[in-house]
Amino acid sequence: AQSVTQLGSHVSVSEGALVLLRCNYSSSVPPYLFWYVQYPNQGLQLLLKYTSAATLVKGINGFEAEFKKSETSFHLTKPSAHMSDAAEYFCAVLSGYSTLTFGKGTMLLVSP
Amino acid sequence: DGGITQSPKYLFRKEGQNVTLSCEQNLNHDAMYWYRQDPGQGLRLIYYSQIVNDFQKGDIAEGYSVSREKKESFPLTVTSAQKNPTAFYLCASSQGRAHEQFFGPGTRLTVL
Repeated sequence: AQSVTQLGSHVSVSEGALVLLRCNYSSSVPPYLFWYVQYPNQGLQLLLKYTSAATLVKGINGFEAEFKKSETSFHLTKPSAHMSDAAEYFCAVLSGYSTLTFGKGTMLLVSP
Repeated sequence: DGGITQSPKYLFRKEGQNVTLSCEQNLNHDAMYWYRQDPGQGLRLIYYSQIVNDFQKGDIAEGYSVSREKKESFPLTVTSAQKNPTAFYLCASSQGRAHEQFFGPGTRLTVL
């Protein structure tokens, strides 16, 4: 069965600092991986997805993620944090024909 | 604009009452999903439907029921058998395998 582990329920950074949110997956088949962002009391918005093409995936709002098969990881990064990046981030893996299994989420806190 | 609507945004019900949450999409997507979100738990799949008049149980289907009579609609009923129904409920849709899921704004259900 496919699963996702997000390390760190909360990550704090200063504005302008590097953002690194960690995601490790377990999958018996080549995975399809997704990162979503959720602002308070809203639905989820797709940041980026990996579907077995390029291992470095660029998404919206300056975020990118690198697929590393040897490490079973798909960490999300952004070179310089902005106050508007404060939100909860979810990593997900395709776990059936079209269903997703989500990690428990990482809350990103950005301080001025 | 194409998208997913969920209504109402906030819902209050007395214990023991059934309640139905609405989800409508105009994206012409074949697949639709219902998730439950609790703090620190990520998203957990309740039910999903890949085609009209067909649906499958997800990981936490007990105490919930759904129908899919129309392509654009996928209502969720929270029954009195659900032991802890207070949560944030999210509806999503997708075009199919490996395609990203698009999320509605969510309904926050509080059972008093």
